[in-house]
Amino acid sequence: SQQGEEDPQALSIQEGENATMNCSYKTSINNLQWYRQNSGRGLVHLILIRSNEREKHSGRLRVTLDTSKKSSSLLITASRAADTASYFCATDAGGNTPLVFGKGTRLSVIA
Amino acid sequence: NAGVTQTPKFQVLKTGQSMTLQCAQDMNHNSMYWYRQDPGMGLRLIYYSASEGTTDKGEVPNGYNVSRLNKREFSLRLESAAPSQTSVYFCASSGAPGNSPLHFGNGTRLTVT
Repeated sequence: SQQGEEDPQALSIQEGENATMNCSYKTSINNLQWYRQNSGRGLVHLILIRSNEREKHSGRLRVTLDTSKKSSSLLITASRAADTASYFCATDAGGNTPLVFGKGTRLSVIA
Repeated sequence: NAGVTQTPKFQVLKTGQSMTLQCAQDMNHNSMYWYRQDPGMGLRLIYYSASEGTTDKGEVPNGYNVSRLNKREFSLRLESAAPSQTSVYFCASSGAPGNSPLHFGNGTRLTVT
């Protein structure tokens, strides 16, 4: 069974707007990671946030983590057509176990 | 740096045929993984190898076998392919399970007729 669930499943916005994607999970985690997948390609790691962190930034990306609500959000500011992709959250439950991925959010940025 | 290389990129099999998907990484990573991706299902872990010499089952291991040939290479074998194994297969590697980012190959698109 999958740990993370992204919301919404699909999102369509205009270039220049901000895009927010959410991830909820069920059990406690060591860290949560976000990945991007362009069509026909493998996933690319975007950002890792540890359970003792609340917010992290990387360029136009901002990730928040609320462990009390077991949720995370990924914000992409000033989106570009090149941001069109699927975005996945993945959770690490610790104990040297592999990441578990959610089903992803499909983002379309319209120029 | 090639990163994670998967071969082949595409494959069509008939039901009952066998094949091996190859994966190699050049990042000196300890851990390697095989995932499958189906529409609407996200990525599901088939098998992983936390370190050279070890392999463990993931969420959907039935119908598959793996071999960690050495630190660089991790292969996935379908002994008797079934239409339900039609999918896109991704190999990935990382420094350690869970605590470090995964690096993915570009996938093998497999169709079983």
